[in-house]
Amino acid sequence: DAGITQSPRYKITETGRQVTLMCHQTWSHSYMFWYRQDLGHGLRLIYYSAAADITDKGEVPDGYVVSRSKTENFPLTLESATRSQTSVYFCASSESPRQFEAFFGQGTRLTVV
Amino acid sequence: DQQVKQNSPSLSVQEGRISILNCDYTNSMFDYFLWYKKYPAEGPTFLISISSIKDKNEDGRFTVFLNKSAKHLSLHIVPSQPGDSAVYFCAASKNFGNEKLTFGTGTRLTIIP
Repeated sequence: DAGITQSPRYKITETGRQVTLMCHQTWSHSYMFWYRQDLGHGLRLIYYSAAADITDKGEVPDGYVVSRSKTENFPLTLESATRSQTSVYFCASSESPRQFEAFFGQGTRLTVV
Repeated sequence: DQQVKQNSPSLSVQEGRISILNCDYTNSMFDYFLWYKKYPAEGPTFLISISSIKDKNEDGRFTVFLNKSAKHLSLHIVPSQPGDSAVYFCAASKNFGNEKLTFGTGTRLTIIP
């Protein structure tokens, strides 16, 4: 399917576990972004990537790791999940660095127990 | 420190009437403002934007108003339709959208048939 897809859509994990959220886009967009959405905070940028093998921190990067070995994939890893990382995570992609031109995936709801 | 605020978490409006969603910001360096619409289990989608050189931008049933002196923007939807029921996020950026987005916390709009 064309577009941007995230997997899994829902995930429950335990504190201290490593978990990876996947993001795949078929447009060959250069730019990809990860956000988290929490009550009382709106969406906040975690990491972004300008191209394969180029990543940079956003507003709330602590506790997260990203990689981008291929243009179409941008996985987000929580190396040791904490309850404060319970959130809805959105991936987005764009042809340009302007975040407002990005298209969002459907989101992954992650619960850390 | 929440630089973009949506003080109404929810709003209910009768179908056919006007919906007015409000957003306040504190950073005078913001010069580009956007509204996003988000349905449940979907990612946000861009709705309408306005640059600080304007005070109004219209797109069909949607109009965004910007009051720079009050650091306030609003989204008007006329007439409101059931399909407008969603969460609406306002967002702001500097350098006319070329810098990162700062999102508000969202307002859930419910259109009553």
